[in-house]
Amino acid sequence: DAKTTQPPSMDCAEGRAANLPCNHSTISGNEYVYWYRQIHSQGPQYIIHGLKNNETNEMASLIITEDRKSSTLILPHATLRDTAVYYCIVHSGNTPLVFGKGTRLSVIA
Amino acid sequence: NAGVTQTPKFQVLKTGQSMTLQCAQDMNHNSMYWYRQDPGMGLRLIYYSASEGTTDKGEVPNGYNVSRLNKREFSLRLESAAPSQTSVYFCASSEGPGWWQPQHFGDGTRLSIL
Repeated sequence: DAKTTQPPSMDCAEGRAANLPCNHSTISGNEYVYWYRQIHSQGPQYIIHGLKNNETNEMASLIITEDRKSSTLILPHATLRDTAVYYCIVHSGNTPLVFGKGTRLSVIA
Repeated sequence: NAGVTQTPKFQVLKTGQSMTLQCAQDMNHNSMYWYRQDPGMGLRLIYYSASEGTTDKGEVPNGYNVSRLNKREFSLRLESAAPSQTSVYFCASSEGPGWWQPQHFGDGTRLSIL
């Protein structure tokens, strides 16, 4: 599976959109982009995944660039409860998920 | 609807003791997984069960055994605990089969081995 690069930490003001970037320049055509998050003292939580089209669900939006070499997870109105570590994972579905170190998002009141 | 339930939530063991971590899911999922998470590191897969009746090793299986008791339950056993196994253990499940299905995680068992 392709390697991902995420910033180690980000801050976001409460009520504003949180935009979390992920670079995956070596992604293959059959690999999906998955996002999970882990709130302190809890297990990881699945957020969203996509192949090449933008995706939206009740939690977030996923924007994938046309060349698929990068993506952005958008939390449209961040709340304090969105403070967590966010993991971007590129995955073909043929092998186990590999969780990296992610981005620690701090939502500030 | 509890999702994935892990017991116990906390445990302290002495070196050499044995213990079984329990995991149960109520989502009728086919696949189940055990991970460990150490400070500053991502989750690492210990064992998984793609479907009832099958188990396979993950990235770090040494020192552990698993049992897929039925479709709902997947247990992780430490036969002779070592300090290096101090960690937070997470169980997960997915509809399966296949790794592309989103995984649903429990809230973990925090295990300390003295």
